Amino acid sequence: ETGVTQTPRHLVMGMTNKKSLKCEQHLGHNAMYWYKQSAKKPLELMFVYSLEERVENNSVPSRFSPECPNSSHLFLHLHTLQPEDSALYLCASSQGYRDNYGYTFGSGTRLTVV
Amino acid sequence: GNSVTQMEGPVTLSEEAFLTINCTYTATGYPSLFWYVQYPGEGLQLLLKATKADDKGSNKGFEATYRKETTSFHLEKGSVQVSDSAVYFCALSDRSTSTGAGSYQLTFGKGTKLSVIP
Repeated sequence: ETGVTQTPRHLVMGMTNKKSLKCEQHLGHNAMYWYKQSAKKPLELMFVYSLEERVENNSVPSRFSPECPNSSHLFLHLHTLQPEDSALYLCASSQGYRDNYGYTFGSGTRLTVV
Repeated sequence: GNSVTQMEGPVTLSEEAFLTINCTYTATGYPSLFWYVQYPGEGLQLLLKATKADDKGSNKGFEATYRKETTSFHLEKGSVQVSDSAVYFCALSDRSTSTGAGSYQLTFGKGTKLSVIP
């Protein structure tokens, strides 16, 4: 365990479904991140939250909707996804927003859209 | 902008062989450099880091030295084990020009898959 917990580990959903990914950290970190990892592509930063406020949204389609109710929890709400959205979704946290100490990653949620 | 270039994989080695995974970078400032490792079915874990030129990061037998003159941060291990099979990501953290003063942008390479066979 790294201190960042993601659930579920695996998720299969249809294109018309609505589901949510959950991320939880109890490291006392103030910033949390969503990344998308697709095969043969670099890690893509999707969203950044600092002290529960969204500070970055990197041109992500609106079918992905993040939520950060407190500094320990981060959600990614999914609806009407496409097959190309199938990927590993990684959550990460850091002490401060984009600080220089490195990030702590969760184990990811493997999402398959059918 | 910032970028990280890693050697293309996959890399296949026999157990106890010497490992080098090359990483070079471009950055506008004075970045910190990282190696992350991703074991099968897991997220990324910080393996080692170096924050200034000539620093050597080390962990679990892996080493990398921050070379400013060659803008490189090559990962090395003297004797690999089967358990080292994973994907290795080089990354840099540099002052971000797009997200405000005092913040750092983390940029990853594409990753290098290492397979170690008995």
